[in-house]
Amino acid sequence: EVQLVESGGGLVKPGGSLRLSCAASGFTFSSYSMNWVRQAPGKGLEWVSSFSGSYSYIYYADSVKGRFTISRDNAKNTLYLQMNSLRAEDTAVYYCARDRGNYYNLDYWGQGTLVTVSS
Amino acid sequence: QSVLTQPPSVSAAPGQKVTISCSGSSSNIGGNYVSWYQQLPGTAPKLLIYDSNKRPSVIPDRISGSKSGTSATLGITGLQTGDEADYYCGAWDSSLSAMVFGGGTKLTVL
Repeated sequence: EVQLVESGGGLVKPGGSLRLSCAASGFTFSSYSMNWVRQAPGKGLEWVSSFSGSYSYIYYADSVKGRFTISRDNAKNTLYLQMNSLRAEDTAVYYCARDRGNYYNLDYWGQGTLVTVSS
Repeated sequence: QSVLTQPPSVSAAPGQKVTISCSGSSSNIGGNYVSWYQQLPGTAPKLLIYDSNKRPSVIPDRISGSKSGTSATLGITGLQTGDEADYYCGAWDSSLSAMVFGGGTKLTVL
């Protein structure tokens, strides 16, 4: 059974940093592109970043470029999101999601972890 | 303002059919696959349609997807109260080098 479990969310002050983790199980993690998608309270989905399974292609939304860094450890089956220079508008539930075939069809999602940026 | 445009809400009676539109451009829907997601309150999104018109094996055939030019449509027949949720379309945007989502459509089953 495919499982994605996010952790690392919490309350952080503006300008602070946080690292999210997504532990994957039930599939060959290294073979799949992985994504972070966020959802601000009461708002829609916003794609944040992706890391391909092969060739190590990495992409970011303009809203986080230069502040967030996505990485993965295939030996630990874990996806990460390092978030620096956090702003109030980064407050959201952050989901990790698997791409079923490199065409941005996100077939499995974690339960999400809440990041709150507030003083 | 979302790159992909969806109606904010749609409604229909139980047993009826509803369609949800998703409008984009040549750099996203026009040139790439579309996916559709259902999000029930307080839960993570769930993939309903991938590659514009394919259903995961767990999704019933009363749910369908289609694409024409720079627009896509999600169809749900035999509406049930359990279908009340938010629905999102998504696609890769080749110009932005980013995945983009629609703003979401709230389905109400009257």
